[in-house]
Amino acid sequence: AQSVTQPDIHITVSEGASLELRCNYSYGATPYLFWYVQSPGQGLQLLLKYFSGDTLVQGIKGFEAEFKRSQSSFNLRKPSVHWSDAAEYFCAVVPGSRQLIFGTGTRLQVFP
Amino acid sequence: EAQVTQNPRYLITVTGKKLTVTCSQNMNHEYMSWYRQDPGLGLRQIYYSMNVEVTDKGDVPEGYKVSRKEKRNFPLILESPSPNQTSLYFCASSLSATGVAGELFFGEGSRLTVL
Repeated sequence: AQSVTQPDIHITVSEGASLELRCNYSYGATPYLFWYVQSPGQGLQLLLKYFSGDTLVQGIKGFEAEFKRSQSSFNLRKPSVHWSDAAEYFCAVVPGSRQLIFGTGTRLQVFP
Repeated sequence: EAQVTQNPRYLITVTGKKLTVTCSQNMNHEYMSWYRQDPGLGLRQIYYSMNVEVTDKGDVPEGYKVSRKEKRNFPLILESPSPNQTSLYFCASSLSATGVAGELFFGEGSRLTVL
């Protein structure tokens, strides 16, 4: 079955530290890949997406993600985390079924 | 301002009392969808619609109904709510009519409690 795995339920980092959130997918071909962010009490907002081409994609708020076909991964990164980045982050894929499948999310906590 | 509007934002109800959560978008989007969010389960799709009068089941449609009589509106209906439908619900829309290859725009969510 097609699936998206975010192995880290909760991550805590200090402000200014680098961040990497992991995402792995299970699908035969390369799906469309997305990262969404959900701030407390809000809906989800698109951070970035990958369809094809350059495997390193830039998004909003200083985030980037790298698609690695050999590892079926699409990890999200940020070189220096700000306190306002505290939120829940969702990886999502659109496989051949064309309906978005979300991962279970990673909650990011940022300490000053 | 481009937005997806859900109402009510918060609702406490009792088992069996029919309720409707409304969703409206002002972006002329073809595609609309409902999700529920539960701790540890992420977002799961309930129903989606690729155009007016075209709806289809998502992963967890049991106990829910939807309709798409107008392009901008996509209400979620719980005919006989049960406690296992206590959840946070999100409506979303997308310009893409062929799927969700484009960006999904989300409402702010509706927190429903069924006693």
